[in-house]
Amino acid sequence: QKEVEQNSGPLSVPEGAIASLNCTYSDRGSQSFFWYRQYSGKSPELIMSIYSNGDKEDGRFTAQLNKASQYVSLLIRDSQPSDSATYLCAGWYSGGGADGLTFGKGTHLIIQP
Amino acid sequence: EAGVTQFPSHSVIEKGQTVTLRCDPISGHDNLYWYRRVMGKEIKFLLHFVKESKQDESGMPNNRFLAERTGGTYSTLKVQPAELEDSGVYFCASSHGSGFETQYFGPGTRLLVL
Repeated sequence: QKEVEQNSGPLSVPEGAIASLNCTYSDRGSQSFFWYRQYSGKSPELIMSIYSNGDKEDGRFTAQLNKASQYVSLLIRDSQPSDSATYLCAGWYSGGGADGLTFGKGTHLIIQP
Repeated sequence: EAGVTQFPSHSVIEKGQTVTLRCDPISGHDNLYWYRRVMGKEIKFLLHFVKESKQDESGMPNNRFLAERTGGTYSTLKVQPAELEDSGVYFCASSHGSGFETQYFGPGTRLLVL
């Protein structure tokens, strides 16, 4: 059973600080991971994708993947109130089985002005 | 470039009725996915089309759900007859390639079965 686990929060972070979102996964066969941001009532929007061990940076966002420990994280630097949303971690697994993404329940992030 | 669109945005029906949801993927995207989010649960995969062919429908809950993608463009998801537990948000996503390629999501259809 492929699972992706996230702390549902809410995670409250003061404006300008670093928000750290974490995700663990159960299947070592997973190959790639995606962080989506979802505002209430809107569609999930891709923030970052990561396939290799290590860090990947894009502007204020850094995704980290550790395949040995089976965790993925997303760091948001200089957090802004507009970053307040639910962040969804999703994994894609190759090698048969379901073709779709396996999602966590999401972490609700609140940036306090 | 237009994103993934879904219709209707909301649907309220009674148990036993039929509802058809529509998804228009991003132009040129051969891969189309349906997902569902039931309240309090995570988004779950339902099925995957490559062009007009069902590649994987392992996530479909039961035979009351029927998905089609005639001509390999838009897709429909029909629920017949609808049950209370079918309530949730149905998302469609599309991608150019399959596998690890980015999936772009539509705004979802909020279905409420009374």
